[in-house]
Amino acid sequence: QVQLQESGPGLVKPSQTLSLTCTVSGGSISSGSYYWSWIRQPAGKGLEWIGRIHTSGYTNYNFSLKSRVTISIDTSTNQFSLKLSSVTAADTAVYYCATDPMIAGHLDYWGQGALVTVSS
Amino acid sequence: EIVLTQSPGTLSLSPGERATLSCGASQSLSSNFLAWYQQKPGQAPRLLIYGVSSRATGIPDRFSGSGSGTDFTLTISRLEPEDFAVYYCQRYDRSPTMYTFGQGTKLEIK
Repeated sequence: QVQLQESGPGLVKPSQTLSLTCTVSGGSISSGSYYWSWIRQPAGKGLEWIGRIHTSGYTNYNFSLKSRVTISIDTSTNQFSLKLSSVTAADTAVYYCATDPMIAGHLDYWGQGALVTVSS
Repeated sequence: EIVLTQSPGTLSLSPGERATLSCGASQSLSSNFLAWYQQKPGQAPRLLIYGVSSRATGIPDRFSGSGSGTDFTLTISRLEPEDFAVYYCQRYDRSPTMYTFGQGTKLEIK
C-alpha cells in the first residue's frame, strides 16, 4: 500500500513562498497510473484541491490558485513538491498530499497532513 | 463555479440508527465521478465511496452510495460508534480539470 508523508516549514512569513514536499513510499512515483495531488484544509473548514502532477510532468491546477502555485516531481527521490507564492494568512491550513488514480476521479491514499501557518 | 451543497450540516443520531447524508450539485455530473470521504478529528480524510456507489478497499458494507445527475446520497445502514465523524462529498470534472468538495456533514452522537 502506498504511503505518503508531507514535510516542510510549519511557519511562513506573509508575502513569502510556502514550500512542501511529499515523500512516497510503498510504490513508485514514476507509475504512469497515478497523478499526485495536493489538497488543503483551513482549521475548522472544508477541503480545497490545489493541483496535481503526473510523472510525465503534466500538471493541472485549481484555477483560483493557478497564478501562485507550482507543483513539481522528482522521480529520483520519489517525491513531489508544492510551492505557493505570495502567501497571506488565508493560506494558513493543513496541507495534504494524496494519490490520484488516472481516469478515476477520486483521491485514494492521503498523507497525514502538514500544518502551515502564515504569520510574521 | 461548480458548487456541492451537503445537507444537513449536522446530523445527530444514535448508534444502531440509519444515517442518510445528501450532496447536491449546482451542475449535473456528466460522469460518475462522485466520491465520499470520512474525516475524524486530527486525521486525514479517508476514501469511503467512489464512482457514486463503489466501496473503497476495506470499507464495511454498511456504507453505501447512490444517486445521479445533481443529487447523491451516502447511507450508513446501522451506525457504529466509530462512524461519528465529518463526511465530505467530492466531484471531479475533466474540462477544466477540477476536484470540488462539499462543505461537509458532521455526524454526531445523539
